[in-house]
Amino acid sequence: SQKIEQNSEALNIQEGKTATLTCNYTNYSPAYLQWYRQDPGRGPVFLLLIRENEKEKRKERLKVTFDTTLKQSLFHITASQPADSATYLCARPGGYQKVTFGTGTKLQVIP
Amino acid sequence: NAGVTQTPKFRILKIGQSMTLQCTQDMNHNYMYWYRQDPGMGLKLIYYSVGAGITDKGEVPNGYNVSRSTTEDFPLRLELAAPSQTSVYFCASSYISGGEETQYFGPGTRLLVL
Repeated sequence: SQKIEQNSEALNIQEGKTATLTCNYTNYSPAYLQWYRQDPGRGPVFLLLIRENEKEKRKERLKVTFDTTLKQSLFHITASQPADSATYLCARPGGYQKVTFGTGTKLQVIP
Repeated sequence: NAGVTQTPKFRILKIGQSMTLQCTQDMNHNYMYWYRQDPGMGLKLIYYSVGAGITDKGEVPNGYNVSRSTTEDFPLRLELAAPSQTSVYFCASSYISGGEETQYFGPGTRLLVL
């Protein structure tokens, strides 16, 4: 089965620093990976999608990489702010109409 | 657009009771999903639907049932509530474009079974 692993349950960083979150997958490389943000008491919200043939994608202060050799995606938030504090989920397409989500990394940005 | 809406927001059930969690989307998406999320665990897929009249089991379907009579609505039924069903339930809908799927989630229903 296709698995997604987000090894860090929690990450604390100082405001203004770059946060880097890791997502590892098993088996074959998916056609794309996605990152979602989840705030407490709310449903996940889609942030970014990166395709297998894209090494890197950026959106404002967010940057995502996809390394098929390491079977890994990195999610970076530059110039982090307390408002970036949330849980970030990595996801990959699985079987027919099924998406597999990681357990998430809880990011806390300390003022 | 309201997106994906879920009712109720919170519910307490006694063991053995039944209830229906409602989910509605106004984005005309064909695909809809029900997940449960337990503390420290990822989203577990309960049931999904690829269109009106078509449903299928996900990873953890036992104790649940669904129906999909319209594109908009995808209710989740708990017949005999058990403490193990205490969780937060999320409904999601999605569209696929160019082979890529993006899911839109509702705000969730928090269920406590005592």
